[in-house]
Amino acid sequence: QLQLQESGPGLVKPSETLSLTCTVSGGSISSSTHYWGWIRQPPGKGLEWIGNIYYSGDTYYSSSLKSRLTISLDTSKNQFSLKLSSVTAADTAVYYCARQARATITTAFGVDVWGQGTTVTVSS
Amino acid sequence: DIQVTQSPSSLSASVGDRVTFTCRASQTIGSYLNWYQLKPGKVPKLLIYAASSLQSGVPSRFSGSGSGTDFTLTISSLQPEDFATYYCQQSYTAPFTFGPGTKVDI
Repeated sequence: QLQLQESGPGLVKPSETLSLTCTVSGGSISSSTHYWGWIRQPPGKGLEWIGNIYYSGDTYYSSSLKSRLTISLDTSKNQFSLKLSSVTAADTAVYYCARQARATITTAFGVDVWGQGTTVTVSS
Repeated sequence: DIQVTQSPSSLSASVGDRVTFTCRASQTIGSYLNWYQLKPGKVPKLLIYAASSLQSGVPSRFSGSGSGTDFTLTISSLQPEDFATYYCQQSYTAPFTFGPGTKVDI
């Protein structure tokens, strides 16, 4: 059974870079049938889609975050990562890594596997 | 970007009620619409994908319908464990935006 596990600092200072890694177990990140991505939920707010990456390395980003965002793959470790630069308090959230089934070159089905989520607080 | 709206933003219901939520996309998205359930402190759960396909393991009281821009999620008989917030997500084109959610409480 495929599982995802987020890891990374729980506290990041304003203006610094938030870095998270998702380790995939029970399956390969080199799957051609899925996207790997990140979703977050700020406290008291709804779900926000951050971005996806495909095994080819193609990335798809939130319009509001793309100037600060990098999502990458490490196939040798079966991991993918998120880097969000110049963070502010507005980036405080629970961050989930996720698997989303790819339907066509531009479309997808639902997010069927989620990590447990990791809380990241931006504060000095 | 495709904008996704949901209505109502919240509703109060009782066990056994039939409840329906609506999701609307700002442009046609075919059937690329997914529904999730989120409870406080829990991981989101996929209920419906591709507008009307029931995710494995999800009770049959959940159903989805719609295509184009207008979609609905129906719970045929609300159970105590269904009190939660429900989100829709369009997956027609990235960014795969979520709606703002519908909270269901007693």
